[in-house]
Amino acid sequence: LAKTTQPISMDSYEGQEVNITCSHNNIATNDYITWYQQFPSQGPRFIIQGYKTKVTNEVASLFIPADRKSSTLSLPRVSLSDTAVYYCLVGYGGSQGNLIFGKGTKLSVKP
Amino acid sequence: EPEVTQTPSHQVTQMGQEVILRCVPISNHLYFYWYRQILGQKVEFLVSFYNNEISEKSEIFDDQFSVERPDGSNFTLKIRSTKLEDSAMYFCASSVDFTRDRGIGWDQPQHFGDGTRLSIL
Repeated sequence: LAKTTQPISMDSYEGQEVNITCSHNNIATNDYITWYQQFPSQGPRFIIQGYKTKVTNEVASLFIPADRKSSTLSLPRVSLSDTAVYYCLVGYGGSQGNLIFGKGTKLSVKP
Repeated sequence: EPEVTQTPSHQVTQMGQEVILRCVPISNHLYFYWYRQILGQKVEFLVSFYNNEISEKSEIFDDQFSVERPDGSNFTLKIRSTKLEDSAMYFCASSVDFTRDRGIGWDQPQHFGDGTRLSIL
């Protein structure tokens, strides 16, 4: 199971772009990289998933370099409502895909 | 957008009592999960369920716990003889399937409910 390392916390201001980088040096060939968002007292919400290069959806972009040893979640023009904990997950802990969460990055967006 | 729903949102129980937490996964999903999150700590995997049987379970999921899919829509977590340390948020999740035939690990995201806060007194 690939171990991930991400900053414990980040601060930003409304309207800025936020980039959260996750390191996963021992990622396996078959591993996907997935990001979840969690608000207080709510379940994690899927944001984006990728395998290589760049993936973009309506809320975020995910940049994955060729060596796949890291990935960067990019949130364009954040708002106060983006204040949450963001989790980077790589691979899976068991044969049926149970997710192993780390401590995540607590993003605080200020006005 | 389809959602995973969990009931109740908050359950208060005396230590030693049995509790049943209920979940309605997204209707076309095949895999079901339970996770828990103790206040201030990370989300922890408990158990996964597929084709009416447990697929995988963590060390946390001991004989005190059981899961069941009693009908075509509900997925339950039962905790027998609750302990104080069982106090936590319990999240149910579901997913469509895994792309196993390509030899690639999971690429189907799990969809989580908003949890049941279990308080053991």
